[in-house]
Amino acid sequence: TQLLEQSPQFLSIQEGENLTVYCNSSSVFSSLQWYRQEPGEGPVLLVTVVTGGEVKKLKRLTFQFGDARKDSSLHITAAQPGDTGLYLCAGGKSGGSYIPTFGRGTSLIVHP
Amino acid sequence: DVKVTQSSRYLVKRTGEKVFLECVQDMDHENMFWYRQDPGLGLRLIYFSYDVKMKEKGDIPEGYSVSREKKERFSLILESASTNQTSMYLCASSFPPTMRGEKLFFGSGTQLSVL
Repeated sequence: TQLLEQSPQFLSIQEGENLTVYCNSSSVFSSLQWYRQEPGEGPVLLVTVVTGGEVKKLKRLTFQFGDARKDSSLHITAAQPGDTGLYLCAGGKSGGSYIPTFGRGTSLIVHP
Repeated sequence: DVKVTQSSRYLVKRTGEKVFLECVQDMDHENMFWYRQDPGLGLRLIYFSYDVKMKEKGDIPEGYSVSREKKERFSLILESASTNQTSMYLCASSFPPTMRGEKLFFGSGTQLSVL
């Protein structure tokens, strides 16, 4: 059972377009993270959100954690070819060791 | 910068062979993880370790074992490799969480092909 559902699975867009990736769950998470993975590399953390309703910005990327802490979104403004990669959301639960559960990922290609 | 190093980027093995995947981290992290990544399935946790000689099963431990004799090194062992273990294997490490959402540092991965 996949606890975190990401959509869309694939996204192919032109440079300059905007896009939103969604990460949804029926479970409540104490925190939610977004990672980006480039071909031939491991995932790299972009952001962690911990408070319901929290919004964080990282240059052209905007991350939002749902009020109920069950979902999150990643919005990219004016996408660039350098944004190409696999975007993964990961949810963690409080208590004990932090062991994140990953979504299946959204593969983004931005064409010049 | 934290460095998580996986011993091989590409590995080709035959069915039935014993396979060792090695991972070393240089930041004195307590927690270490092994994931496998398959297209369309995301990252699935095989095993993790929160201390030397301590290990816990993840979501898909069948066919795998692990060893953590030293804090910096976490090894994944395939006792008898099978073709369905062909995959990208990712190692990660982290400190125990001092607040919610501790960062995982990943290695570059080992692409294992079992023929």
